Order: sequence, then C-alpha cells, then structure tokens
Amino acid sequence: GESVGLHLPTLSVQEGDNSIINCAYSNSASDYFIWYKQESGKGPQFIIDIRSNMDKRQGQRVTVLLNKTVKHLSLQIAATQPGDSAVYFCAENSGGSNYKLTFGKGTLLTVNP
Amino acid sequence: EAGVTQFPSHSVIEKGQTVTLRCDPISGHDNLYWYRRVMGKEIKFLLHFVKESKQDESGMPNNRFLAERTGGTYSTLKVQPAELEDSGVYFCASSQALTTRLFFGSGTQLSVL
Repeated sequence: GESVGLHLPTLSVQEGDNSIINCAYSNSASDYFIWYKQESGKGPQFIIDIRSNMDKRQGQRVTVLLNKTVKHLSLQIAATQPGDSAVYFCAENSGGSNYKLTFGKGTLLTVNP
Repeated sequence: EAGVTQFPSHSVIEKGQTVTLRCDPISGHDNLYWYRRVMGKEIKFLLHFVKESKQDESGMPNNRFLAERTGGTYSTLKVQPAELEDSGVYFCASSQALTTRLFFGSGTQLSVL
C-alpha cells in the first residue's frame, strides 16, 4: 500500500454518526471544487463536485457546502459507515481549468464500529 | 470498463538510476494528466496531455523529468537521474474532455534510496 507520511488532520467518528470534513481554500478565482476519497493503496476517487454558482449540492449520503465569502468548503457524510474510512481531499481548479487542480492536505477519517 | 492503470505499483531505485513509470488511461480519454505527492506535501499537478500533445507542463519540477505520450494512448514518465527528493507517489489521471471529471489511477510509489 501507499506510504502516506503526512501529518494529516484526523477525524474519528462512530458508525452511524454524521461526519463533517472541512477545507479552506485561498484562491478567490477558483470556480470549481471537488472532494476526493483515497483509500489505502488506491488513487483519489471522485465523490462530489460543486461549481461556484452554487452553495450546496447533494449526492448519495454526501453533501458539499461552499461558502465563497470565507472561502470554505465542507463535505458532510450522513450515517457514516466503516467503508467510509479513508483520506478525504478537497481540490480546487485555481486558474479556471478543471484539470489543473490544487489539492488540500487531506483529512483522515476513521469510522469506529 | 477498465479504469486508469499504472505500472509499476511500487519502484525502489538508487539515487542516480533511471525509472520509467507507465500510465494507461481509460480508453477514449484524450486528456491525460500526471500528478505527484512527495512526502509531507500535497498532491501537485505535473503536466497535461491532449492526445499526444503536451498542453501544459508547468508543474514539471526540472529537466530530469520527461513525459511522453506517443500515439496518444499510454503515457510514460521517466526520471533520469533520480534524486532522493523524487520519492513519492505518482498519479496518473484521465478525462474525456477538459470539463469532465478526472479519473485517477492507483499510483506508483517511487522510493529513491
């Protein structure tokens, strides 16, 4: 598996609880934001995205909130399950292109059964 | 449908040696990207291909790194000569168009000793 070697912020929750993972971004010109999930030994997996003309978007058990005023992004996971344990990254498209993403450091989510 | 595949999954080499990483994008995806995460840092953009052409290589750290995508299918990333600071995880991603989401491979863990 991958050796992370990062001192990541961590969040530990009980199975069934809701999780909230936060991310701050710095570039006010960013107009596209994505949350990725990375499990051990795998690459980042797309969870949900949001464009700057929205402040909320919902998926299956996940909700992304965008506050452009304070440049803050959050990911809410409802009824967290053990399979949700992973590192979660937010990313932004600083520069206006979807491909040139700027990633955050990541948050390690641990779900306790 | 096969996802983005990367080879090898792990590579351990000595300083000064050469290593070549390979990425096979999802079939039909013209856009191919390389990202990497070195120890203690965030995932960072390296470069972007559209078919066989380099569209943006602004993230390439120095001229010891050479990326190719001959024929517009798979891509290789060569590091020659490798240095200690090149250690990290190298991710490849692909997308159908610039405005669509990126799909990441599982990465190549490179260790330079």
